[in-house]
Amino acid sequence: NAGVTQTPKFQVLKTGQSMTLQCAQDMNHEYMSWYRQDPGMGLRLIHYSVGAGITDQGEVPNGYNVSRSTTEDFPLRLLSAAPSQTSVYFCASTPQGRETQYFGPGTRLLVL
Amino acid sequence: SQQGEEDPQALSIQEGENATMNCSYKTSINNLQWYRQNSGRGLVHLILIRSNEREKHSGRLRVTLDTSKKSSSLLITASRAADTASYFCATDVGAQKLVFGQGTRLTINP
Repeated sequence: NAGVTQTPKFQVLKTGQSMTLQCAQDMNHEYMSWYRQDPGMGLRLIHYSVGAGITDQGEVPNGYNVSRSTTEDFPLRLLSAAPSQTSVYFCASTPQGRETQYFGPGTRLLVL
Repeated sequence: SQQGEEDPQALSIQEGENATMNCSYKTSINNLQWYRQNSGRGLVHLILIRSNEREKHSGRLRVTLDTSKKSSSLLITASRAADTASYFCATDVGAQKLVFGQGTRLTINP
């Protein structure tokens, strides 16, 4: 299994641009989530999904959009990038009935 | 807002010594988890302790939980250079939503 994969690894955007961060897992996990990590901080939950077709907001959802059309994929869309969205973004997944999360390697985003 | 606060923010010890990190939280939890993050990498799950448990061991790791004080500690015994990383506590507040602390940056000196 590849586990949780994220693309791209690094991205530079200009203010106002939009983009999609990709996340995929091949472990048939029901639960997936997106976090952002700012320097010296822990992770903050952006959006999460308990299964295909179901998404919900986390602690910091503003400026982000998600969809979950398949069990495997959970893309995160930045609608109009702002410098405040400069961060490292992590995707994670959890199998149904379990509590521990499996994290991807992260996407480092710089918004100029 | 962050649920957990970790103490200390940074810890530097000699190889072979024990390292203790503390985590405090604010609300009721289902369980508390500890994760490790090596520089530039994703987080890796270390250990989970449920709200009805007081202590748990896994290899060189020992976790305690005091729900009356809303606090937990992670002890790493006989530290190694490879233990150098940031360590985060995360509280499960329901619906599989984890709230992370700010982390403790651990450095093991050879």
